[in-house]
Amino acid sequence: GAGVSQTPSNKVTEKGKYVELRCDPISGHTALYWYRQSLGQGPEFLIYFQGTGAADDSGLPNDRFFAVRPEGSVSTLKIQRTERGDSAVYLCASSLNGGTGNIQYFGAGTRLSVL
Amino acid sequence: DAKTTQPTSMDCAEGRAANLPCNHSTISGNEYVYWYRQIHSQGPQYIIHGLKNNETNEMASLIITEDRKSSTLILPHATLRDTAVYYCIVTTEYGNKLVFGAGTILRVKS
Repeated sequence: GAGVSQTPSNKVTEKGKYVELRCDPISGHTALYWYRQSLGQGPEFLIYFQGTGAADDSGLPNDRFFAVRPEGSVSTLKIQRTERGDSAVYLCASSLNGGTGNIQYFGAGTRLSVL
Repeated sequence: DAKTTQPTSMDCAEGRAANLPCNHSTISGNEYVYWYRQIHSQGPQYIIHGLKNNETNEMASLIITEDRKSSTLILPHATLRDTAVYYCIVTTEYGNKLVFGAGTILRVKS
């Protein structure tokens, strides 16, 4: 079946611009996660949704970062006033219900480059 | 911060078993050991997880010591396609916040 889909695969923007990154989870998965991966490092947790609500947003670095999941399926990560330090691969994952035996399935990521 | 310690890199000959160690001396009773791997330019891929018993699936085996302070991921017959970064992660069974360390770079060589 289809896995987690992230679009675009690459995004180049200029410092100060606004960007939106999209994640389509596996159909039927109620839990959705965003991570960020800088070059040479492991992924870093940003936010976790259970259904439509953000159950844990402790990883968002500052108020320029915001994520939504209005219908409990597709999620959008929004970054305002982008900075060069925001350049990274943004990964999305989903799991069946975030409960017992939770296994997260990852997409291929969106590579964001802020010039 | 990650709760695990892994070697930075390892080499393995193609067709041989790859044994990847992980130390997690501060693991608590309700925490599981999860293994993911990441092949270049792809998202992390789930491999296996366990609590205290050894586990095996079609990809790998997970051996957890009796005191649960360390574990070993075993790829029984490594292939070139197994070259990747392997992450050992300790988390509750709900695993809602995976904390990745630097992982182990496994290079499988022909």
